[in-house]
Amino acid sequence: EAQVTQNPRYLITVTGKKLTVTCSQNMNHEYMSWYRQDPGLGLRQIYYSMNVEVTDKGDVPEGYKVSRKEKRNFPLILESPSPNQTSLYFCASSSTTAQETQYFGPGTRLLVL
Amino acid sequence: GENVEQHPSTLSVQEGDSAVIKCTYSDSASNYFPWYKQELGKRPQLIIDIRSNVGEKKDQRIAVTLNKTAKHFSLHITETQPEDSAVYFCAAYPVGGGADGLTFGKGTHLIIQP
Repeated sequence: EAQVTQNPRYLITVTGKKLTVTCSQNMNHEYMSWYRQDPGLGLRQIYYSMNVEVTDKGDVPEGYKVSRKEKRNFPLILESPSPNQTSLYFCASSSTTAQETQYFGPGTRLLVL
Repeated sequence: GENVEQHPSTLSVQEGDSAVIKCTYSDSASNYFPWYKQELGKRPQLIIDIRSNVGEKKDQRIAVTLNKTAKHFSLHITETQPEDSAVYFCAAYPVGGGADGLTFGKGTHLIIQP
């Protein structure tokens, strides 16, 4: 089954404790991205990757890192989480660019205390 | 970069009536406009999209119109049903500044009243 998976689905952590949210897709997609969703603000892009070893900043990259060592995986790293990073995070992928159907993962709800 | 405004933020309609959600964008270079539906607790899913060389596109009860001159596009849902209740997001591509991404509107919560 074609899908995008994320782990964990729910995470409670404390300020400053490094964490990684994994994202994996099995559709051989080149384009992957991370969004955060906050009430009243819609979806905002954090980082995106157009292929292996190619990553770029989105609208709200501060406090986040990503890597793309393999085509299928695109982890999101919070080196020192802060409470303002409490949010719902979605990973998405598409065949080659953002101007194609974005297939979203199930989301990761993060609470930073 | 691109800026997308979406209205209304909440829309309540009677089952069977039509619903219209409107979005405006700022960058005249934008050329792709998708609409995503997000049901409660679920992930966003594409329902329809339109490119700048087309003025209107339909898919059963859903249609999208694009006015490039006025820089606005709209989602039309006819004969609304309970399963249409969700949050709808419009988006525009590209985000501008050479980046490859979508700029989303803030969303419209569509409520279908029985």
